[in-house]
Amino acid sequence: GAGVSQSPRYKVTKRGQDVTLRCDPISSHATLYWYQQALGQGPEFLTYFNYEAQPDKSGLPSDRFSAERPEGSISTLTIQRTEQRDSAMYRCASSPRIEAHEQFFGPGTRLTVL
Amino acid sequence: EDQVTQSPEALRLQEGESSSLNCSYTVSGLRGLFWYRQDPGKGPEFLFTLYSAGEEKEKERLKATLTKKESFLHITAPKPEDSATYLCAVQGRGSSASKIIFGSGTRLSIRP
Repeated sequence: GAGVSQSPRYKVTKRGQDVTLRCDPISSHATLYWYQQALGQGPEFLTYFNYEAQPDKSGLPSDRFSAERPEGSISTLTIQRTEQRDSAMYRCASSPRIEAHEQFFGPGTRLTVL
Repeated sequence: EDQVTQSPEALRLQEGESSSLNCSYTVSGLRGLFWYRQDPGKGPEFLFTLYSAGEEKEKERLKATLTKKESFLHITAPKPEDSATYLCAVQGRGSSASKIIFGSGTRLSIRP
């Protein structure tokens, strides 16, 4: 596609519910990153994929968070048993390759946990 | 541990008043330092990548420079449309070579 897309753009859920966020990267891009961004802060690394492999998930806050990219294109980020502290903007970015290359960011998903 | 600190947190300038934003970093072998611009409600937009000390890159009214410990984003004769948050990020060669660490950004406001 022309750019990185994310859905939904906004998600409101109740505490304890599971949510799944979707990222559709630029089609030719090998790497895909997930970030969490709090208001007034820079994006914070969660995990990344190189095609379908997930070499680094050290930024995931807890085992309630998981991500997949089964066919090396679309990725999902799932948060189980959501808590209020999970409320944030979740951003996806893709890049042609890992090594010091620019990232293209999606518009983000604003998650609110009530 | 890789770290990025940006200053100032916020900067208000008059149109045409040149200034510089600072990004101090600590990284285990620099693979790349990035500057991004972020407008309210949008994702960051790539500006520059710098790879080694002494390197400079320019784009319109912006020029980025790099030393072994910090990077500067110089803004010459800014216009109101340059108002945005400017983010600095680094990618190192250490054990977490895949991570890109962002600073908290500098919120730049240009008054007409």
